[in-house]
Amino acid sequence: DGGITQSPKYLFRKEGQNVTLSCEQNLNHDAMYWYRQDPGQGLRLIYYSQIVNDFQKGDIAEGYSVSREKKESFPLTVTSAQKNPTAFYLCASSAGDRDPYNQPQHFGDGTRLSIL
Amino acid sequence: SQKIEQNSEALNIQEGKTATLTCNYTNYSPAYLQWYRQDPGRGPVFLLLIRENEKEKRKERLKVTFDTTLKQSLFHITASQPADSATYLCALITGFQKLVFGTGTRLLVSP
Repeated sequence: DGGITQSPKYLFRKEGQNVTLSCEQNLNHDAMYWYRQDPGQGLRLIYYSQIVNDFQKGDIAEGYSVSREKKESFPLTVTSAQKNPTAFYLCASSAGDRDPYNQPQHFGDGTRLSIL
Repeated sequence: SQKIEQNSEALNIQEGKTATLTCNYTNYSPAYLQWYRQDPGRGPVFLLLIRENEKEKRKERLKVTFDTTLKQSLFHITASQPADSATYLCALITGFQKLVFGTGTRLLVSP
C-alpha cells in the first residue's frame, strides 16, 4: 500500500541536541511538507518542498532545517536553536501536478518529540 | 489579521443525528477549501474538497457547503455513528498547495 511513513513514533531530545525526524513516501508525489501541531492550535507549516533539491520556509521555520535529496524523502532536523521543540510533528505529501490547487495532502502518523 | 475559526468546544450528539461543524475565515479569499478528519495520535485524513464556485459537495454521508459571501463552510455528517467521533479540521488553500488549517472541532457521537 502506498503511504507516508514517519519514524520514530516517539522521540526524546536532550537540551542542546539536534534530532532528525524521518519522512518517507512511496506515493510518487512531488510536493512534501512538514507541520507542527500543538494542543489547541492548528497545524503550522514549517517547511515545504515542491520538487527535489528545492524547499521553502513556511510560517515557523526558525530552529528547523530540511533537505530534499530524493523524491521519496524529506527529513526534518530540529536544531538546538528551536527553544520550544516539544510538539507533534506531521509530514505530508501531495501530487503537485495537473491542477496544483486541487490536490489533497496525505499525512503520516506523526512523531511526538519531547524534551528530557 | 487572517484567521480560520472552528468551534473549540467539542460537539456532542446522539447516534443517528446529523452533526454540523462550522468553519469561518476572515481576510482570506480562498478558491478551495478542504476538510480533514484526525483521530488521536494519528495524522489527518482528507475527506472532501470544495471549490469557490461549488455551493455544495457530497460524499456518502458527508456534505460540505461553501459560502464565500459569509466566508463560511459547513460540514455535515448525516446518520452519525460512534465511529465518526474524531476531530475535524478545515483548511484553506492559500498558494501552491499551501494549506492553512483551523484548530479543529472534536465530535463525540454517543450510542
